Amino acid sequence: SAVISQKPSRDICQRGTSLTIQCQVDSQVTMMFWYRQQPGQSLTLIATANQGSEATYESGFVIDKFPISRPNLTFSTLTVSNMSPEDSSIYLCSVPGTGNTGELFFGEGSRLTVL
Amino acid sequence: QQQVKQSPQSLIVQKGGISIINCAYENTAFDYFPWYQQFPGKGPALLIAIRPDVSEKKEGRFTISFNKSAKQFSLHIMDSQPGDSATYFCAASMAGGTSYGKLTFGQGTILTVHP
Repeated sequence: SAVISQKPSRDICQRGTSLTIQCQVDSQVTMMFWYRQQPGQSLTLIATANQGSEATYESGFVIDKFPISRPNLTFSTLTVSNMSPEDSSIYLCSVPGTGNTGELFFGEGSRLTVL
Repeated sequence: QQQVKQSPQSLIVQKGGISIINCAYENTAFDYFPWYQQFPGKGPALLIAIRPDVSEKKEGRFTISFNKSAKQFSLHIMDSQPGDSATYFCAASMAGGTSYGKLTFGQGTILTVHP
């Protein structure tokens, strides 16, 4: 499986500010995915980050709130904009395994606390 | 249609016992069913996965049982160990096409194995 590195691993943010999370993969991947895990909850897909095109957002998530960049096949960023305490979550980057197996691998996550 | 329901919410097992976690899904188009293990402060790690063309898959102490007609699948952990104490998530997806990487997760089960 790919090695996925996320930065920051955790941060404490003030209400109304924005924070950008970085995801670096040690191999080239066509698709990268961003998930959110709210405290004590399950994981929910935010968007699919495609290299060379705009991200595709899931229902309930919008580009103005969660802008995503995908400048190359090994890197993506997710920005959480105009944060509120409800945005306190773990944000996880994930990539598919090799071959069309359906496998999905996750980074360690970025734990954001919004005060 | 997209829901995956997981039970129990929490489970306490004695060392050496069998841990059983159940999931049910509604969308018959799902064709990939993974289980993830998550330790505190870590990202989810892929544990084992199954496709609907088989009824059981075993990897070491971990077994997935799959019942296509009932739209249910379960994780069995044999000879449970304290090191297995973690949160377990079932998930489901349509592994092909535009749905690749879009996992629908269950609510999670907190497993505690007492020594």
